[in-house]
Amino acid sequence: GQQLNQSPQSMFIQEGEDVSMNCTSSSIFNTWLWYKQDPGEGPVLLIALYKAGELTSNGRLTAQFGITRKDSFLNISASIPSDVGIYFCAGPPGRGSTLGRLYFGRGTQLTVWP
Amino acid sequence: DSGVTQTPKHLITATGQRVTLRCSPRSGDLSVYWYQQSLDQGLQFLIQYYNGEERAKGNILERFSAQQFPDLHSELNLSSLELGDSALYFCASSLTGTGAAAKNIQYFGAGTRLSVL
Repeated sequence: GQQLNQSPQSMFIQEGEDVSMNCTSSSIFNTWLWYKQDPGEGPVLLIALYKAGELTSNGRLTAQFGITRKDSFLNISASIPSDVGIYFCAGPPGRGSTLGRLYFGRGTQLTVWP
Repeated sequence: DSGVTQTPKHLITATGQRVTLRCSPRSGDLSVYWYQQSLDQGLQFLIQYYNGEERAKGNILERFSAQQFPDLHSELNLSSLELGDSALYFCASSLTGTGAAAKNIQYFGAGTRLSVL
């Protein structure tokens, strides 16, 4: 099946620092999704990307759809304690625009020290 | 609140038993997805239903089954439970499950934590 390689696995940063994480795939994706999961909760969608090269922001979060269509990046600026959680990249398989099952990366565990 | 409701939140049972997990999708969503999250496997897709019909299947064990009812709620049945089935089980829903990507973002429930002792 599809492999989404997400890195880093974990990050320990100080409040106010910027964060970068990325996700690569062995095959082309036409949609990239970034989710965040808090302890005891389900994943919550942060950003959706639909076009190669697309750069989309959601507050302090910015994500980019790589031009090769095989990677995506998520940046968090000026981190705050509530940014703590696990961040997942995800996408549907296949070359078409239909969405069905999602494949998920293994996640980046973010810890923010005050 | 995603609008997807899962019950129960926690379930503790013994090996060999059978359990049923329930999911109510967001209002208006026709497609329901089930995922399993474990420490060693991460988030894995199990099965998708669309408007009552099975649409896609992942690595779902034969001991597991699911269905979607006319009111669009879904149930995931896990039988002959083993220790390794202990995991978080998530339900997600989307508008249709096919077609334009923007209409098919999956919204996740809070999950059911299953502990098999």
